[in-house]
Amino acid sequence: DVKVTQSSRYLVKRTGEKVFLECVQDMDHENMFWYRQDPGLGLRLIYFSYDVKMKEKGDIPEGYSVSREKKERFSLILESASTNQTSMYLCASSTSSLAGGSQETQYFGPGTRLLVL
Amino acid sequence: AQSVTQLDSHVSVSEGTPVLLRCNYSSSYSPSLFWYVQHPNKGLQLLLKYTSAATLVKGINGFEAEFKKSETSFHLTKPSAHMSDAAEYFCVVRSFKAAGNKLTFGGGTRVLVKP
Repeated sequence: DVKVTQSSRYLVKRTGEKVFLECVQDMDHENMFWYRQDPGLGLRLIYFSYDVKMKEKGDIPEGYSVSREKKERFSLILESASTNQTSMYLCASSTSSLAGGSQETQYFGPGTRLLVL
Repeated sequence: AQSVTQLDSHVSVSEGTPVLLRCNYSSSYSPSLFWYVQHPNKGLQLLLKYTSAATLVKGINGFEAEFKKSETSFHLTKPSAHMSDAAEYFCVVRSFKAAGNKLTFGGGTRVLVKP
């Protein structure tokens, strides 16, 4: 089974702090994603990466950056946390392989609930 | 450009009765469509997906969805609800993009199942 793990289930930070959210996948997937989930808005894509050291902005990248130094690990960074970044953050991964349409499916971690005070 | 609209933010059903979750999409290309489910305090799990094969797609836990191009819809149904179906459900469309698999999510439908 694919496993996507996130370093923390809950985090409480103060405004202005630098925050690191870590995500690790064990299926050798090329693609990794960071989303935030807010009530009524579904999931919105922050950043994604389709290869080591590669990154692309999603729909709401402002206030965030990412790092992908190794294939299995994708980090989301809040340079200076603000209260409007209080949210649930979800990491996902998928393969680029065309075999069996498997590239279509994203596998999600359990999420990190971040509270910024 | 693409978008997804889930027409109901909340659906309440009685155990043993049918479930219908409505989803409409827009996409510039032939879309791939998905339904994901999220149980409380759990990650998202894929229920089913449509990728240009059969228009009626069967998923896990007795769910199915029908792709209707003329109506730009991908509604999710289940003939008989179970208490374990109480969760939030997301309809998702995939962008046709060379790199990565960018997904666009609907706002979610929260399902309550009454005994």
